[in-house]
Amino acid sequence: DQQVKQNSPSLSVQEGRISILNCDYTNSMFDYFLWYKKYPAEGPTFLISISSIKDKNEDGRFTVFLNKSAKHLSLHIVPSQPGDSAVYFCAASANSGGSNYKLTFGKGTLLTVNP
Amino acid sequence: EAQVTQNPRYLITVTGKKLTVTCSQNMNHEYMSWYRQDPGLGLRQIYYSMNVEVTDKGDVPEGYKVSRKEKRNFPLILESPSPNQTSLYFCASSNRAAGGSPLHFGNGTRLTVT
Repeated sequence: DQQVKQNSPSLSVQEGRISILNCDYTNSMFDYFLWYKKYPAEGPTFLISISSIKDKNEDGRFTVFLNKSAKHLSLHIVPSQPGDSAVYFCAASANSGGSNYKLTFGKGTLLTVNP
Repeated sequence: EAQVTQNPRYLITVTGKKLTVTCSQNMNHEYMSWYRQDPGLGLRQIYYSMNVEVTDKGDVPEGYKVSRKEKRNFPLILESPSPNQTSLYFCASSNRAAGGSPLHFGNGTRLTVT
């Protein structure tokens, strides 16, 4: 049972436009969400995160939105740049009670930003 | 430079030949974990360690062993590798076992078992 779902395997956008990557989750115990970016031949790198007590977190060109009632989060990249072309993983964790810090990852979305 | 170092980067082996993939971090992190990445399946956790001498199974532990004798090292051991363990493996660490602390990943080890 996939608890974190990224239903779009790929997304292509033009440079300068907005990229919107979506993620849905099923586990209501998840209370912390992260996005990772992965280039070929490298490990994933942390991009941005959001706690369930917030509905928005912004860091430069990157904004993550969380809709708890819909169990949905999205990553907005504005403006998109060719260097943003990578695989983006959505991840979630349930941290209450100090339990195992286990991240559950989605399958990833390949973003291609065309010049 | 703060980093997670995995070795080797690439490994081709035969079924049944024991191998070890090493992982070392220089950030004094308590938490370390191993993931495998497979096409269409994303990243799945194999084993994790909350601290020295404390390890536990993740989602796909079958066929793997780990040890955590020192804080900085967390080797992944395949006692008898099989072709279904052909995958891209990532080691990761974090400075907290709980709470929203992002994982730092190594650059991966691509393992092929023939």
